[in-house]
Amino acid sequence: AQKVTQAQTEISVVEKEDVTLDCVYETRDTTYYLFWYKQPPSGELVFLIRRNSFDEQNEISGRYSWNFQKSTSSFNFTITASQVVDSAVYFCALSKERGYGGSQGNLIFGKGTKLSVKP
Amino acid sequence: SAVISQKPSRDICQRGTSLTIQCQVDSQVTMMFWYRQQPGQSLTLIATANQGSEATYESGFVIDKFPISRPNLTFSTLTVSNMSPEDSSIYLCSGGRVGVNEQFFGPGTRLTVL
Repeated sequence: AQKVTQAQTEISVVEKEDVTLDCVYETRDTTYYLFWYKQPPSGELVFLIRRNSFDEQNEISGRYSWNFQKSTSSFNFTITASQVVDSAVYFCALSKERGYGGSQGNLIFGKGTKLSVKP
Repeated sequence: SAVISQKPSRDICQRGTSLTIQCQVDSQVTMMFWYRQQPGQSLTLIATANQGSEATYESGFVIDKFPISRPNLTFSTLTVSNMSPEDSSIYLCSGGRVGVNEQFFGPGTRLTVL
């Protein structure tokens, strides 16, 4: 069965600190996709990144970076020089490759990590 | 990215009543999903909305409680029937496109059942 584990329930940092959010996943699929979403206090889910299982290159987007390690089934997310606006709940998610039967394409979410960035 | 709208954005309802939530996407998507997020919890898939046919429900969710329609590619509704306080949640619609394995979410509907 597929599963996503975000062991950190809450993290609190001071502005300008770097912070890493952990995500460990389980799947028997050989092809799959990993996602990170941000949910600010307003409630909407903001798409941050998608990564397929064949692409293990790390990615950087501004202050955000992602480290995908297939060997440890991890897809960790780092925010550099955190800001108060980064305060939100961050979800890691896993989906099946499209083309499978059943609930193809749906997302399996971790429990989320609540990040609080204090000024 | 697809723009997804939902309405209502929030509602307060009485026990035993039903509420229908609408989801509209701005471009054709092949997949539409409905998720529930209970207070302080993660998102759980309710069902996949299929165009012109019955939705595919996940374990623990049934059509009598959460009837779903999808009359065309860009519109879907979710009804929360015979509500109880345990149904108080955020309900989110999401859409995904052919060949692009990503999903975008609507702003959610915050439902409170008294």
